[in-house]
Amino acid sequence: NAGVTQTPKFRVLKTGQSMTLLCAQDMNHEYMYWYRQDPGMGLRLIHYSVGEGTTAKGEVPDGYNVSRLKKQNFLLGLESAAPSQTSVYFCASRWTGAVETQYFGPGTRLLVL
Amino acid sequence: KNEVEQSPQNLTAQEGEFITINCSYSVGISALHWLQQHPGGGIVSLFMLSSGKKKHGRLIATINIQEKHSSLHITASHPRDSAVYICAVRLGNYGGSQGNLIFGKGTKLSVKP
Repeated sequence: NAGVTQTPKFRVLKTGQSMTLLCAQDMNHEYMYWYRQDPGMGLRLIHYSVGEGTTAKGEVPDGYNVSRLKKQNFLLGLESAAPSQTSVYFCASRWTGAVETQYFGPGTRLLVL
Repeated sequence: KNEVEQSPQNLTAQEGEFITINCSYSVGISALHWLQQHPGGGIVSLFMLSSGKKKHGRLIATINIQEKHSSLHITASHPRDSAVYICAVRLGNYGGSQGNLIFGKGTKLSVKP
């Protein structure tokens, strides 16, 4: 099992450019999450999905869109990147078995100039 | 307002020492998670607690629901334990039922040989 993978690992964008971050999981989990991590702050939830075809807003959704067309993939889009979106982005999927666990991807470092 | 507070922010220990990291929260929760973020950035789930105490190897996590406080203990610390330890809570509301977490800012632990 690869677990949770993210592409790309690192990207530099210019202000106003768009991009899509891809998260894939091979554990058949229903729940998936996108977080951002900024220096001096805890991880913050951007959007989440409770199953294929569903998405919902988290704590900091502005400037981002998401899609979950397939159960294993959760895409995070930036339509018009801003320097404030410079961050490390983590995707996670959640197992809701006896011991609830979130499995995190390795992260995507995004720099918006 | 920080709903999840961790202390200390930074901790340096000598190999072999007993380590305690604290987490306090100000809201009603349904569960509390401890996670470890490696120096390379990867995040791994350590424990999920809703009451009492859990142990895994040299790691022990406790929670006191009445006092809204949890501790993570590391016995016989080792340089490989050097990481950021993150406390996260799942609220007892709709968002929490979707698995949404609120994260502390983390405690950076450095264990010297």
